[in-house]
Amino acid sequence: NAGVTQTPKFQVLKTGQSMTLQCAQDMNHEYMSWYRQDPGMGLRLIHYSVGAGITDQGEVPNGYNVSRSTTEDFPLRLLSAAPSQTSVYFCASSPPSGRNEQFFGPGTRLTVL
Amino acid sequence: GQSLEQPSEVTAVEGAIVQINCTYQTSGFYGLSWYQQHDGGAPTFLSYNALDGLEETGRFSSFLSRSDSYGYLLLQELQMKDSASYFCAVRDISDYKLSFGAGTTVTVRA
Repeated sequence: NAGVTQTPKFQVLKTGQSMTLQCAQDMNHEYMSWYRQDPGMGLRLIHYSVGAGITDQGEVPNGYNVSRSTTEDFPLRLLSAAPSQTSVYFCASSPPSGRNEQFFGPGTRLTVL
Repeated sequence: GQSLEQPSEVTAVEGAIVQINCTYQTSGFYGLSWYQQHDGGAPTFLSYNALDGLEETGRFSSFLSRSDSYGYLLLQELQMKDSASYFCAVRDISDYKLSFGAGTTVTVRA
């Protein structure tokens, strides 16, 4: 199993550009989520999904869109990049149990100039 | 919603014991979990407490008291490789969101 994969690992964007961060998991997990991590601020939930076709907003959803057409994939779209979106983005997945055990991808380091 | 608080930094020497406290405010949650994150890496799951009491996993133990809205992670026999950030997290019982504390940076000195 590859676990949770994310692409790209690094990205530099100019203000106003759009892009999609890819996330895929091969563990058949129903729950998937996107976090951003900024220095000293821990992990903040952007969007999450409890299954294919179902998404919901997290703590900091503005400027981001998601969709979940399959169980495996959960892409995150930046609509019009802003310098405030410079961050490290983590995708995670977990099985539908109560253990709170999430499996994280390696992260995407995004810089918006 | 959820609100979790934990200390920002802890420093200790090799072989020592460190306790990282986590206090939370929540309308209902499934349990308290802990994650470890080394610098530049992804968070990894450490432990989970569904019920009150102590859970032990090797040198690490985790404790939960629902009546006190409090939990802690205990790191024993500290090693240099334990230098990392540690996050507590709870999953909301109503919408299944997993919320994290801001993290505690543990620095282990020789």
